[in-house]
Amino acid sequence: GESVGLHLPTLSVQEGDNSIINCAYSNSASDYFIWYKQESGKGPQFIIDIRSNMDKRQGQRVTVLLNKTVKHLSLQIAATQPGDSAVYFCAEGSSGSARQLTFGSGTQLTVLP
Amino acid sequence: GAGVSQTPSNKVTEKGKYVELRCDPISGHTALYWYRQSLGQGPEFLIYFQGTGAADDSGLPNDRFFAVRPEGSVSTLKIQRTERGDSAVYLCASSLDGADSPLHFGNGTRLTVT
Repeated sequence: GESVGLHLPTLSVQEGDNSIINCAYSNSASDYFIWYKQESGKGPQFIIDIRSNMDKRQGQRVTVLLNKTVKHLSLQIAATQPGDSAVYFCAEGSSGSARQLTFGSGTQLTVLP
Repeated sequence: GAGVSQTPSNKVTEKGKYVELRCDPISGHTALYWYRQSLGQGPEFLIYFQGTGAADDSGLPNDRFFAVRPEGSVSTLKIQRTERGDSAVYLCASSLDGADSPLHFGNGTRLTVT
C-alpha cells in the first residue's frame, strides 16, 4: 500500500554541523507535508510544513525541501544543537480537508558533543 | 496552559476493563484528533472531530473504541473490553480549523493493558 517512509532510522551528527533527514512518500494524492520532532515521553512537536505548490520553505534554523518528481522530502537543520536530539517524523496529508496525517516510522537524530 | 492537555499521563488496566482517556484541546481550536502510537512507530490516525461531530472515524480499529466531544471542546476516547494489544500511547491533537493549520499534539496517555 501507499506509505510514508524514512531512508535512515538513525543519524548522528557533530554539534554545530548541519543535519539532513530524508523522507520518501508514495501517495501521489498528498499535497501537504509536515515535520515533527518528538522527544522521549512527549508528544510530537510541530517544526515546519510545506504544501505541494512549493519546493522549499524556511523556518528558524530549519529548511524543508520537497521534490515532487521523485516524491522526496527532506528536513535540514542548520548548526545542530544538543537540544535537537530527538526522533523526527515526516507526515503527509491533504490540505483543505480532514487532516488525516500518515506518519513515517521516524529517524532518531543524535547530536554528538 | 496554552497546549493540548491529556489526562491521565499513564494508565494501567487489566485485560477486559473499560478505560476513558481525556483530551483538552487548545482553546479556540475547532478540530480535534486522536492518534495512537506504538513503540518505535509513528502515530496512526484514529478519529477526527470538527466541532462536536466525528467527521472521520475511519481509523478506529474496531467497535470497542469510541470517542465523543459533546460540547466541541474536551474529548474522551473510550475503550471497552481492553486487550493487551491496545497498549500504546494515545495522542490527542488539535488544530485551528482542521483544514490548513497544523496539528498540535499533547504529550499523550500511555495505556498499558496487563
